[in-house]
Amino acid sequence: QSALTQPASVSGSPGQSITVSCTGTSSDVGGYNYVSWYQQHPGKAPKLMIYDVSNRPSGVSNRFSGSKSGNTASLTISGLQAEDEADYYCSSYTSSSALVVFGGGTKLTVL
Amino acid sequence: QVQLVESGGGVVQPGGSLRLSCAASGFTFSSYGMHWVRQAPGKGLEWVAFIRYDGSNKDYADSVKGRFTISKDNSRNTLFLQMNSLRGEDTAVYFCAKTYYYGSGIYYLDNWGQGTLVTVSS
Repeated sequence: QSALTQPASVSGSPGQSITVSCTGTSSDVGGYNYVSWYQQHPGKAPKLMIYDVSNRPSGVSNRFSGSKSGNTASLTISGLQAEDEADYYCSSYTSSSALVVFGGGTKLTVL
Repeated sequence: QVQLVESGGGVVQPGGSLRLSCAASGFTFSSYGMHWVRQAPGKGLEWVAFIRYDGSNKDYADSVKGRFTISKDNSRNTLFLQMNSLRGEDTAVYFCAKTYYYGSGIYYLDNWGQGTLVTVSS
């Protein structure tokens, strides 16, 4: 069960937009639209930000959006704010022996 | 509001056992599947196990299959993780999490506990 591949870090200035990629295979990201994204601040529990590739749960800012092309999913955060600084994890259903697989995580720094 | 409170973590020797609990409130526990996810110190999230709302189906990560057992007691609104034959690489904060909705929503975790730390060391 290999983890999905994410960049270790990304950064941006307040007001800018950033995109975090998440690359899998046809057994997970590429084969199903069951991709989600989680935000985790230090010492806190993760928070669901995106599900079904591009849907936002109630209460999540519309500055967060998701998309997918082939085996790669993406999370875009527009209008960066200081409070967006956190770790971001993608996740997908997988048809392998597991049920769910996470990405390795991306640390977002707001400059 | 939804509340999930884990307990049962601690220090255990390699080869030992530990049972984690997750007390749930604020939602109809018997209607939702539940997950365990862990996070080693300074590392990323790793999915561990899932149990269907009625306990009829369970899935495990390869890394814990045959050693860990997930269960839920719907009468006590409590989720469990029995961990046997523990190894150093099992050292992590263990989170319980609620699924978002029935059907494909079981792949999404919309409420998480604060986690309980398990340390496997001699």
